[in-house]
Amino acid sequence: AQKVTQAQTEISVVEKEDVTLDCVYETRDTTYYLFWYKQPPSGELVFLIRRNSFDEQNEISGRYSWNFQKSTSSFNFTITASQVVDSAVYFCALSETNDYKLSFGAGTTVTVRA
Amino acid sequence: EPEVTQTPSHQVTQMGQEVILRCVPISNHLYFYWYRQILGQKVEFLVSFYNNEISEKSEIFDDQFSVERPDGSNFTLKIRSTKLEDSAMYFCASSEFRDNNEQFFGPGTRLTVL
Repeated sequence: AQKVTQAQTEISVVEKEDVTLDCVYETRDTTYYLFWYKQPPSGELVFLIRRNSFDEQNEISGRYSWNFQKSTSSFNFTITASQVVDSAVYFCALSETNDYKLSFGAGTTVTVRA
Repeated sequence: EPEVTQTPSHQVTQMGQEVILRCVPISNHLYFYWYRQILGQKVEFLVSFYNNEISEKSEIFDDQFSVERPDGSNFTLKIRSTKLEDSAMYFCASSEFRDNNEQFFGPGTRLTVL
């Protein structure tokens, strides 16, 4: 069973539009961590954020913001005023208690057109 | 800023050959991981390593795979007899702690099996 679902395969926007990436997770643990990573065309994985299950405060970092809702098991990511450099694949990931690994979603490809 | 490094960046090999992928984790990190990403697919966990032994492995990590920390700095992934389906990007990651699991990823090694 998928632990992390990113239902959007691809999103295409014009520069300066906002884009929201959905992430739904599944776990029975009460303590867990959620992550977002960015994979630009060059291929590396860039860490964006980690959120623990006890901290439901939304977070903003520059043009990035994250909305964590335990009630719907979602951890959505919004890029405000998108730029061409935001074009990448974005992965949501889950880490559960007593688990070493990150379980990644399938990723969402974001294309920002000038 | 400390970072995880991986060599080589690209490895081409013939089916049936052995390959060793090398990683240098961040120096004060204690937990080490290998993940792989088949082209266009999600990132999949292979194995985690702590205190000189495997702490968790996935079903992908069969007898053809092995990991080693031969000295105080390197962490290697060996594939004994490569198959075509081993062609993928292999990412090494490391973390200081297990609990919050903030894993820092290397730039990846692209393995092409012909």
